[in-house]
Order: sequence, then C-alpha cells, then structure tokens
Amino acid sequence: DAGVIQSPRHEVTEMGQEVTLRCKPISGHDYLFWYRQTMMRGLELLIYFNNNVPIDDSGMPEDRFSAKMPNASFSTLKIQPSEPRDSAVYFCASSPEGQNTEAFFGQGTRLTVV
Amino acid sequence: GQQVMQIPQYQHVQEGEDFTTYCNSSTTLSNIQWYKQRPGGHPVFLIQLVKSGEVKKQKRLTFQFGEAKKNSSLHITATQTTDVGTYFCAASSYKLIFGSGTRLLVRP
Repeated sequence: DAGVIQSPRHEVTEMGQEVTLRCKPISGHDYLFWYRQTMMRGLELLIYFNNNVPIDDSGMPEDRFSAKMPNASFSTLKIQPSEPRDSAVYFCASSPEGQNTEAFFGQGTRLTVV
Repeated sequence: GQQVMQIPQYQHVQEGEDFTTYCNSSTTLSNIQWYKQRPGGHPVFLIQLVKSGEVKKQKRLTFQFGEAKKNSSLHITATQTTDVGTYFCAASSYKLIFGSGTRLLVRP
C-alpha cells in the first residue's frame, strides 16, 4: 500500500482565493482525520470521519473551513475564502479502528496564503 | 475540553546523553500513543500504551504509562543524531489529541 496520499504537497495562494486539499486514505481504514500544524498551536484535530460520516468537527476553526468524504477513498478539506492566518501544514491521517489504534499520516500539504 | 501538556518544549543534548519527555493529561486516558516527527516530515507512530503502569521498550526507547493513566513518559538512552525530531504524545480518550511536542536536538 502506498500509504495516505495527500495533494498538493505545496500550495501558495492569494488571500481570498478558494483552496482545496485532497486526501486518499489507506484502503480499508474506516477513520480519516484532518489535522493542522503550526508553530504556535501545534497539531490540531480539525475533523474526523468514520465510514465517510463526519463525527466531530468541533476543531474546524470557522465557517470558511469545510470537509467532505464522498466515498471511502477520498476526502477534501476546503477553505473559502483563504486568509494569511490559514497558512500551515495540513495533515490527513487514517486508521483502521479509530482513536485506539495507530494513525497513519500523509506527507502533508504546506499551505501558504499571501 | 481535554488538554495534554508536554514538557519540555525543547531539549538540546550531546550525543550519548539521555533524554526524557513527559506528557500529562487533565483527564484519565483510555490509552496513550507516542509519535515521532522528523524535521520536514510527518508524524510516525512509535507505540501505544494501554494498561495502568505499563512499561514498554523499543531498543533505546522506554515508554511508561502512569498508574493513574494521566501521565506518560518517553526516555531515550544514549541519544544518537538519528533521534533528532519532535516527539509527541497523543491522548486517546474519545478522540486523538496531540500534546505540544518536545523537540530534540542532538549535538554530534
């Protein structure tokens, strides 16, 4: 298995533009997580899905952020409109059984909003 | 909400010295996980502790889970330059919450 695949690896966009981050979890994993990492706030859980259903989105910073999982092999995190303070590394992770098992992280998407 | 505190924030050691990072939770945990993130990389799972007072070893790494299941530690014996990175604990109650991490720098 190729592991969790994220795209793009790097994204530079102008303030106000829409940004879409993509994730392909490991096949067979029922849980998918989106994390954001910054120097100031560390690794923050934004949202997680179980069997494609959003379970907890309490970490989503505001309405500008939305996440979807239309099927078991694909998820998106969208920011619209983007702001400079959204600049961070966004990680997607998947796990076979949720919180009590190992989470496998993708390589991350480094987002820069200018 | 649940918080996980991790100390120290940074540790700079001479190669061969030992290193310890500590993780404390405000609530009792069902289990705790440890991850390592190399500079520019992504978090990679190291181990999971489940039982009260549990101790696990991986070569030079020793992981402990407190008796009350509210704290944990990672100890590295005789650090090597390959140990460089940030070590995170992740508290697993109803969702996986990461500590702030301890960044380890090793002088060769």
